[in-house]
Amino acid sequence: RKEVEQDPGPFNVPEGATVAFNCTYSNSASQSFFWYRQDCRKEPKLLMSVYSSGNEDGRFTAQLNRASQYISLLIRDSKLSDSATYLCVVNPTGGFKTIFGAGTRLFVKA
Amino acid sequence: GAGVSQSPRYKVAKRGQDVALRCDPISGHVSLFWYQQALGQGPEFLTYFQNEAQLDKSGLPSDRFFAERPEGSVSTLKIQRTQQEDSAVYLCASVEGLAKETQYFGPGTRLLVL
Repeated sequence: RKEVEQDPGPFNVPEGATVAFNCTYSNSASQSFFWYRQDCRKEPKLLMSVYSSGNEDGRFTAQLNRASQYISLLIRDSKLSDSATYLCVVNPTGGFKTIFGAGTRLFVKA
Repeated sequence: GAGVSQSPRYKVAKRGQDVALRCDPISGHVSLFWYQQALGQGPEFLTYFQNEAQLDKSGLPSDRFFAERPEGSVSTLKIQRTQQEDSAVYLCASVEGLAKETQYFGPGTRLLVL
């Protein structure tokens, strides 16, 4: 089993739709979680950190479920500019190694 | 302010050639990561530096890969005797403090080994 797993998609949604991605992780002791966004042929950029209490930033909401070992990202009112690959990132406890998922591709269409 | 820069942006190497990839992190950033990203995959961890100390090199795929950060700022990833499977994008990321904080990525070096 991979340490961090994501549905690769692609998710094809119309503008204005709500879309949700999940990411599962295998190390139950993991403490830090993030969502990064990567545009085609560009570098990853931080979208948001994921806190135990959940957090929201505008149209984006991230949740952490420790019991089931997954994190989620919800995007409301999708925009064309949301089209990208969304990378789930986990920092396992006790080391410096950062583990990225393979990414979920999102296409938002007019 | 200036972000993370990497050079060269593109590199074509013949199989067996040695290459050196450079990363200039954000000034003052303590932590630095190197990743390898294959097409359609997420970045794969290679190695981590805290200042000049290489604290984790568990992701380096073979002894042909070597990284250094001698003065705790600029870092170089060297690949000896390149092979076709080394073709990938090599990303560098810097962090202001500890490893678990936000990572700021450079644009990457696209390496193609023929």
